[in-house]
Amino acid sequence: NAGVTQTPKFQVLKTGQSMTLQCAQDMNHNSMYWYRQDPGMGLRLIYYSASEGTTDKGEVPNGYNVSRLNKREFSLRLESAAPSQTSVYFCASSEKTRFSEQFFGPGTRLTVL
Amino acid sequence: AQSVAQPEDQVNVAEGNPLTVKCTYSVSGNPYLFWYVQYPNRGLQFLLKYITGDNLVKGSYGFEAEFNKSQTSFHLKKPSALVSDSALYFCAVRDLGDKLIFGTGTRLQVFP
Repeated sequence: NAGVTQTPKFQVLKTGQSMTLQCAQDMNHNSMYWYRQDPGMGLRLIYYSASEGTTDKGEVPNGYNVSRLNKREFSLRLESAAPSQTSVYFCASSEKTRFSEQFFGPGTRLTVL
Repeated sequence: AQSVAQPEDQVNVAEGNPLTVKCTYSVSGNPYLFWYVQYPNRGLQFLLKYITGDNLVKGSYGFEAEFNKSQTSFHLKKPSALVSDSALYFCAVRDLGDKLIFGTGTRLQVFP
């Protein structure tokens, strides 16, 4: 099993450009998440999806959109990138229970110039 | 609202010595607590969790954590540190639904 995979690993954008970060999991998990990690701030939840066809905002959703394409895939889109969106982005998935741990992908390092 | 705090940005320890990484929590209701580790340029890896039962929870790589309800703490411990334990450690608490709230992280540096 590959677990949680993310593409791309690195990306440099200019302000105003758009891009989509891809995430897929092969563990048949219902729940999927997008986080951003910034120095000194830990991980902050951007969006999450409790099941196929549903998405909800997290702590920092502004400037982002998501699509839960199917049970395996959960993408994150930046419509008009801003320097404040320079960060490392992590996708995660878990079983749909309160006791389940989340499994993380390797991350995407995004720089917006 | 649920929250966790990691009061130390960095912890330094000599190899072979015991280590402790601190975490305190604030929750309404029963706390569901987690520890994760992040090695450089990698995603987070699950170490252990407390749901209910024994206050001492054992996890991966020889780590354990002690749940203390009266002190609202969930400190991560290891009896004998290895240089390879050097990494960033995150405490987390389950929020509403399936969400996790993470602490700001503690960098553990183990010196030879």
